[in-house]
Amino acid sequence: NAGVTQTPKFQVLKTGQSMTLQCAQDMNHEYMSWYRQDPGMGLRLIHYSVGAGITDQGEVPNGYNVSRSTTEDFPLRLLSAAPSQTSVYFCASSFSAGANVLTFGAGSRLTVL
Amino acid sequence: AQRVTQPEKLLSVFKGAPVELKCNYSYSGSPELFWYVQYSRQRLQLLLRHISRESIKGFTADLNKGETSFHLKKPFAQEEDSAMYYCALKRSASKIIFGSGTRLSIRP
Repeated sequence: NAGVTQTPKFQVLKTGQSMTLQCAQDMNHEYMSWYRQDPGMGLRLIHYSVGAGITDQGEVPNGYNVSRSTTEDFPLRLLSAAPSQTSVYFCASSFSAGANVLTFGAGSRLTVL
Repeated sequence: AQRVTQPEKLLSVFKGAPVELKCNYSYSGSPELFWYVQYSRQRLQLLLRHISRESIKGFTADLNKGETSFHLKKPFAQEEDSAMYYCALKRSASKIIFGSGTRLSIRP
């Protein structure tokens, strides 16, 4: 039982490049979400999903896309990376469709030059 | 607007001293609040939630609706308590928002 797995752990991009941060969970959790962690700003919710095929925006969705084709996977796509997207990204999941106790991944550190 | 405020970015106390990490919230309705902790080189994890009314690792947190606070307390700090602490609010059925975090440093 791996819990929440995020890949890659580290990534450096140039401005304008695209990439996908992967998130997978093996706990059959309904709810999955993406946060970004920035110094002095805590964790801010980017997007979330309450089940396969259902996604919605969080507090800071601009510049990011998500999809949820399976219960297990919730990838986060950056279509055209900007330096303001330099951050640590966390994927988190919860058993029920309503967000409750969150289980976090180890994080992905992204630097955009 | 619904928000969570942690006024202290850094809190440094001596081992054995009491600890209080402050958290204030704004929310219309009955709030559901959490404390999460991130130890060095570990994942963010739940420390406690107010509806459980339990003590974890000696920490407690009481919801004060009058003062809209959910402060985290421990009577005697230990060195292993050094970590980043986040207060979180369940803003809706599907959204949990976090405060900016407080780094707790325990001096020997």
